[in-house]
Amino acid sequence: QVHLQESGPRLVKPSQTLSLTCTVSGDSIRSDNYYWNWMRQAPGKGLEWIGYIFHTGNTYYNPSLKSRVTLSVDTSKNQFSLHLSSVTAADTAVYYCARKTVYDILTGDYFDQWGQGSLVTVSS
Amino acid sequence: DIQMTQSPSSLSASVGDRVTITCRASQSISRSLNWYQQKPGKAPKLLIYAASSLHSGVPLRFSGSGSGTDFTLTINGLQPEDFATYLCQQSDGFPYSFGQGTKLDI
Repeated sequence: QVHLQESGPRLVKPSQTLSLTCTVSGDSIRSDNYYWNWMRQAPGKGLEWIGYIFHTGNTYYNPSLKSRVTLSVDTSKNQFSLHLSSVTAADTAVYYCARKTVYDILTGDYFDQWGQGSLVTVSS
Repeated sequence: DIQMTQSPSSLSASVGDRVTITCRASQSISRSLNWYQQKPGKAPKLLIYAASSLHSGVPLRFSGSGSGTDFTLTINGLQPEDFATYLCQQSDGFPYSFGQGTKLDI
């Protein structure tokens, strides 16, 4: 049974960097079958995809956040992390980590496992 | 970017009802459309992938259809545990994007 768990500070000051880590259990992050993603959902808003990282370190970011986002992976700890710089109140959201399947011509690709989510508030 | 628009934004129904939720993409996405169920304070759960394939463990009362720009999620015989928010998501192009959600309540 795969389990993803977000961890990190719940309160971040404006202009600082938001950092979260997702710990994966029940599966190896080194799998070639999955990409490891971050999403967020601001209060009363829809879900926004932030980006993904492969175990090799390859990344792809949402262009709307690309200038402020860095994803990293630590295969020895089976973890991957999100760093979002220069945060403002608009970055207040529930942040989710999620596993995405590698694209297949028959099944496409999709987010099949999610963490429970972590509410991060940006406030002084 | 591909915009996903769901309708209706909210829907009232009763146990046993059949309901249909629609998702429209701003451009053709072939069958690269996934559906999720989200309950308050919880993470989304995958229901349907590739427009019509039922994810493992999801009850057969859930079904999906469509291709191109127009998709539907149908629930046949609503159960009490089905009252939740439903989200569509396109995986045809970056950045991945979600619909704003359809809240299904009693």
